[in-house]
Amino acid sequence: GESVGLHLPTLSVQEGDNSIINCAYSNSASDYFIWYKQESGKGPQFIIDIRSNMDKRQGQRVTVLLNKTVKHLSLQIAATQPGDSAVYFCAALSGNTPLVFGKGTRLSVIA
Amino acid sequence: GAVVSQHPSWVICKSGTSVKIECRSLDFQATTMFWYRQFPKQSLMLMATSNEGSKATYEQGVEKDKFLINHASLTLSTLTVTSAHPEDSSFYICSARNTMNTEAFFGQGTRLTVV
Repeated sequence: GESVGLHLPTLSVQEGDNSIINCAYSNSASDYFIWYKQESGKGPQFIIDIRSNMDKRQGQRVTVLLNKTVKHLSLQIAATQPGDSAVYFCAALSGNTPLVFGKGTRLSVIA
Repeated sequence: GAVVSQHPSWVICKSGTSVKIECRSLDFQATTMFWYRQFPKQSLMLMATSNEGSKATYEQGVEKDKFLINHASLTLSTLTVTSAHPEDSSFYICSARNTMNTEAFFGQGTRLTVV
C-alpha cells in the first residue's frame, strides 16, 4: 500500500461553519474515490464517493471535489455540526486493488 | 447500504494465546475481503486481501504465519492472530467488497488487547 500512518492532522471549526478536508493521492490510475468517517472505536462509515469521470459530486451537506491533474480530493461539509466530529479518511481504488487510505484528518467541531 | 458484521467487537487475551476474528457480509456475497489494522491516531493499514477459495495475499511486512486468514465462503472471512503478543494489540477492521467490485463496506472493528 501507499499510505503510511502518521499522527493525524486536526481541523478545528466553529459549529455552523463550513469544513474543508483535503486529501492527496499518488496513484494516477486510481479511478474511484471514497470519503469515510470514523468515530472513536468504530469502523469507517461511507460518506460519499466519486468516480474519475467526474470532478464534483454533492450529497446531503457534503460535497466532494476531485482534481485529477494534481491528484487532489477534498470533502466539504456545510454547516458543520458537533456530530460531524470524527476522523475523516479518503480512499482510492484502481480496478480490483484494495482500498488505499490517506492518513486521515481529525475534525473537531467547537460548539 | 450493505452490512458487514465483525465479531467480536473487543477481546482481551493472554500473551501466547490465539484469537479468531470473524467478518461476515450479511446481505451480499463478497468475493474479496480485506483486513486492516489501525493503531491509535493512525490510519488504516492494509494487512491482507482475502479471496474466497484461495490463499490470502499479504502486504509486505505482515507475517502470514502469525495472521492466518481463511475465506471459506462468499460471506465469511476469519483472521486468527496466533501466539498473540502485546505489540499485536490494535484495532482490526475487515472490509468486504461485493461482486461488482465497487464500494467497500466495513465491519465495526475488533479491539484486541493482549496482556
